[in-house]
Amino acid sequence: GNSVTQMEGPVTLSEEAFLTINCTYTATGYPSLFWYVQYPGEGLQLLLKATKADDKGSNKGFEATYRKETTSFHLEKGSVQVSDSAVYFCALIIQGAQKLVFGQGTRLTINP
Amino acid sequence: EAGVVQSPRYKIIEKKQPVAFWCNPISGHNTLYWYLQNLGQGPELLIRYENEEAVDDSQLPKDRFSAERLKGVDSTLKIQPAELGDSAVYLCASSPTSGGAGYETQYFGPGTRLLVL
Repeated sequence: GNSVTQMEGPVTLSEEAFLTINCTYTATGYPSLFWYVQYPGEGLQLLLKATKADDKGSNKGFEATYRKETTSFHLEKGSVQVSDSAVYFCALIIQGAQKLVFGQGTRLTINP
Repeated sequence: EAGVVQSPRYKIIEKKQPVAFWCNPISGHNTLYWYLQNLGQGPELLIRYENEEAVDDSQLPKDRFSAERLKGVDSTLKIQPAELGDSAVYLCASSPTSGGAGYETQYFGPGTRLLVL
């Protein structure tokens, strides 16, 4: 089946630290990969996506590279800010289908 | 552009009572989704609509859950009767017409947080 496994949280970092949130997947087809972010009290927002191997998605200083050989899509940011505190979800969708499969989420807290 | 609208934002009910959630998708989005998000988990799809047609309801517990999208725009998700285990966040999302540019990106509403006592 299709599934997504994320690094367990919570993750707590200091401002300006380097961030990595690991995400690996299993898929029966050829997935597109996504990172969604959920800020406190808000709905899920698309952060970035990649639709084929070796593509790099980027937004707001965050990046993730679609690695087919390691079935991974790790989220990185070089210097985090307090405003990045949120829950981050890795997800996949099989191309041709429209069902998003989410990981369990990773809660990130950035301290000033 | 207005986002996905959901109401109510919060609902507290007694077990065995009925409850309904409403969703209005982004204008022009023909595909609408209802997701269930339990505490500390990622969302799980309950049902997907293409216009008025429910094309994937395999994960919807049909003994107590029902949904409708009568005119292919807004949608209602109902639970009757509610159970304690239904306490969760119910998310609505929409996306452009299947096959069009950007169809895979789903846009989420803020959710309805349900507490069953």
